[in-house]
Amino acid sequence: QLQLQESGPGLVKPSATLSLTCSVSGDSINSSSHYWGWIRQPPGGGLEWIGSIYYSGNSYYNPSLKSRLILSLDTSENQFSLRLRSLTAADTAVYYCARELVTMYVFDMWGQGTLVTVSS
Amino acid sequence: QSVLTQPPSASGTPGQRVTISCSGSSSNIDGNAVNWYQQFPGTAPKLLVYNDNQRPSGVPDRFSGSKSGTSASLIISGLQSDDEADYYCSAWDDSVIGYVFGPGTKVTVL
Repeated sequence: QLQLQESGPGLVKPSATLSLTCSVSGDSINSSSHYWGWIRQPPGGGLEWIGSIYYSGNSYYNPSLKSRLILSLDTSENQFSLRLRSLTAADTAVYYCARELVTMYVFDMWGQGTLVTVSS
Repeated sequence: QSVLTQPPSASGTPGQRVTISCSGSSSNIDGNAVNWYQQFPGTAPKLLVYNDNQRPSGVPDRFSGSKSGTSASLIISGLQSDDEADYYCSAWDDSVIGYVFGPGTKVTVL
């Protein structure tokens, strides 16, 4: 049974860098069938796709975040990670990691999400 | 401002049919698969419909999807109280080169 679990700090200061990790169990991230993605949701707001990464390391990012964002993966730990720099209050959101089906262009399984607050 | 447009709310009485629209453009809905997600307060979104009209295993058949041109719809037939949630449409966008989501529609059971 696939499970995804986000981990990281709940509070970060403005201008700092956010680092989040998604631990995957029940499936291997070293799979050609899936991308692994990040989506966020500000309090009371809608969903925003952040970016996705493939087992090969190939990744694609939301153009609005691309200049501040790096996605990576650690196949030995079956984890993938997000680093978002130069944070502002607008980055305050629940961050979800999710599995993306390569051929179907859909996020079929999601983690429970982790709230990140940007505040001094 | 979302690339996809949804009504902010929809409602119905138990047993009624409720339709949620999702309007986009030629770079997203018209040419790419539309997916729908259901989200209850404080929980992660759950995939409800994918590839325009396919249901994952375990999703009740009262949920269905359709698409025509640059618009898509989620239909809830036989509305139940458990269906009170937020519903989001999503699609790949060839111009953005990424996924776009609608702003979400809150469904209320009267």
